[in-house]
Amino acid sequence: AQSVSQHNHHVILSEAASLELGCNYSYGGTVNLFWYVQYPGQHLQLLLKYFSGDPLVKGIKGFEAEFIKSKFSFNLRKPSVQWSDTAEYFCAVISNNAGNMLTFGGGTRLMVKP
Amino acid sequence: DTGVSQNPRHKITKRGQNVTFRCDPISEHNRLYWYRQTLGQGPEFLTYFQNEAQLEKSRLLSDRFSAERPKGSFSTLEIQRTEQGDSAMYLCASSAAGQPQHFGDGTRLSIL
Repeated sequence: AQSVSQHNHHVILSEAASLELGCNYSYGGTVNLFWYVQYPGQHLQLLLKYFSGDPLVKGIKGFEAEFIKSKFSFNLRKPSVQWSDTAEYFCAVISNNAGNMLTFGGGTRLMVKP
Repeated sequence: DTGVSQNPRHKITKRGQNVTFRCDPISEHNRLYWYRQTLGQGPEFLTYFQNEAQLEKSRLLSDRFSAERPKGSFSTLEIQRTEQGDSAMYLCASSAAGQPQHFGDGTRLSIL
């Protein structure tokens, strides 16, 4: 069964600091990869996705992620965080033989101090 | 707002009662998904519909759980004889083929 690991459960940063959130998945076949964000009191929103092509994908609000197939990783990055980035971030995977189900990591709660 | 709509937002019920949740997907999406999320965890897949057909069910979906999508539009998730362990946020998502899933606000279930 596929699984997704997010190594940091809680991250606290000051504004303008750089962010990198780790995500590793277990499945070795063809995968589609996602990062979702959940702002306080809001629903899950798609930040960015990787289906194929350029392994460096850019999403909304200045976020980007890099797919490294050899490391089974899809880390999320942002060069300079803002207070408004305070949220919970979820990495998720769909693999080609696991149907249409998203498998989520446990989430990383980010707090950005003003 | 044309996003995924879920009702009710909150449901409080006594153990042993039945509950039903509703999800209205984005209108042009033929795929609909149910997930469950407990505190401190990521969402876990429950079931998936393509149009009115229920094509996938997780082992998490015990026989007390049933989901329907009778006309290929809205869906309902029913939990019979609720237990304490059913307390969670129940999320609905929808998508078009090959596209990312869009999530609703969820229904938070609390079992007394």
